Amino acid sequence: EIVLTQSPATLSLSPGQRATLSCRASESVDGFLAWYQQQPGRPPRLLMYDTSVRATGIPARFSGSGSGTDFTLTISSLEPEDSAIYYCQQRRYSPPAFGPGTKVDIK
Amino acid sequence: EVQLLESGGGLVQPGGSLRLSCAVSGFTFRIFGMSWVRQAPGKGLEWVSAISGTGDDTFYADSVQGRFTISRDNSKNTLYLQMNSLRAEDTGIYYCARTPGVPAGMFYFDYWGQGNVVTVSS
Repeated sequence: EIVLTQSPATLSLSPGQRATLSCRASESVDGFLAWYQQQPGRPPRLLMYDTSVRATGIPARFSGSGSGTDFTLTISSLEPEDSAIYYCQQRRYSPPAFGPGTKVDIK
Repeated sequence: EVQLLESGGGLVQPGGSLRLSCAVSGFTFRIFGMSWVRQAPGKGLEWVSAISGTGDDTFYADSVQGRFTISRDNSKNTLYLQMNSLRAEDTGIYYCARTPGVPAGMFYFDYWGQGNVVTVSS
């Protein structure tokens, strides 16, 4: 089974700053990596799939990059509503696996 | 507008059964795979089960294989999860999610319901 690790565990930044979240897979997932945002008390929301394809309605300040085993979600200029936990997920192999999440706190 | 509305959760004793439902609207249900994803209290996300648009193909996590059964009624635009032999570790919020890529076994989840709480406790 593929194992995903995410770093850092927590990120504390101010509005307007740039956030860089990392996700590493235990083996190559061939670019089949997605990112989700979960705000407190809400269901997850798909942000990005297949590394860099933004989901419907997702603002351009969210971008994804990477390949092989190493992937990055970048939020170019943080807004207060970006305070959430961000999960990566691989779909290259079954079962689909999620990372443990990165919590983003907006100061 | 895509909408997914779960129902059927609640409190059940260990060893008991529960059936979750997910009523959907806003898209052509029969052409999309669907999944259940759960989240234990204060924990991360765990995929539980998936089903193809026709219902012919089903997939399960090892943790629920043989205890849970996923199904769908395309005439009612509804997804189900029958949960038997429930354990304390099955406690959590259960989300239904639209799942592109099911026939190929390559799942991601593009729309999610609000979630339904399942508590397994004596």
